[in-house]
Amino acid sequence: DAGVIQSPRHEVTEMGQEVTLRCKPISGHDYLFWYRQTMMRGLELLIYFNNNVPIDDSGMPEDRFSAKMPNASFSTLKIQPSEPRDSAVYFCASTSVVREKSTEAFFGQGTRLTVV
Amino acid sequence: AQSVSQHNHHVILSEAASLELGCNYSYGGTVNLFWYVQYPGQHLQLLLKYFSGDPLVKGIKGFEAEFIKSKFSFNLRKPSVQWSDTAEYFCAVCRNRLAFGKGNQVVVIP
Repeated sequence: DAGVIQSPRHEVTEMGQEVTLRCKPISGHDYLFWYRQTMMRGLELLIYFNNNVPIDDSGMPEDRFSAKMPNASFSTLKIQPSEPRDSAVYFCASTSVVREKSTEAFFGQGTRLTVV
Repeated sequence: AQSVSQHNHHVILSEAASLELGCNYSYGGTVNLFWYVQYPGQHLQLLLKYFSGDPLVKGIKGFEAEFIKSKFSFNLRKPSVQWSDTAEYFCAVCRNRLAFGKGNQVVVIP
């Protein structure tokens, strides 16, 4: 398996534009997590899915943020409209939990988002 | 709510010094514990993990961690650090949800 794949690796956009980040988890993993990392706030969990269903989106900062997982192999994180304070590195991670035992979470390379 | 606490966010030390990073969690019951490392400009990578068994876990690059159930702790150690250990280290706790601590920024001075 190629691991968790995120695209794009880098995104520079103007304030007010829509941004879509993409993630392909590792095949067979039933949990998918979206994290945001900044110098000020560190690593923050935005939302996570189990079997394509959003379980906890309490970390999503505002209604401008939305995430979907239409199938087991694809998820998107959308920001509309984007603002400069959204600039961060966004990581996607996947793992599987069997009988309450989680394998390690595997992280994608991240998407570095810059909103100007 | 499940939470993970890491102390001493910034750690600066010289090569060959010993390193210990503390991690405490608040979740009761059976948990899985992890330490991740993030080298500058890279994504998070697993250092070591604990599920059950021997509470002293050996990881990659000479790191180890000890699970002390009574103290809800999972501290990371390395007897002698190298310059290449400069990175950010994250403790994580998982049951259904993977929760991370705020991280420890470690700088090793040659």
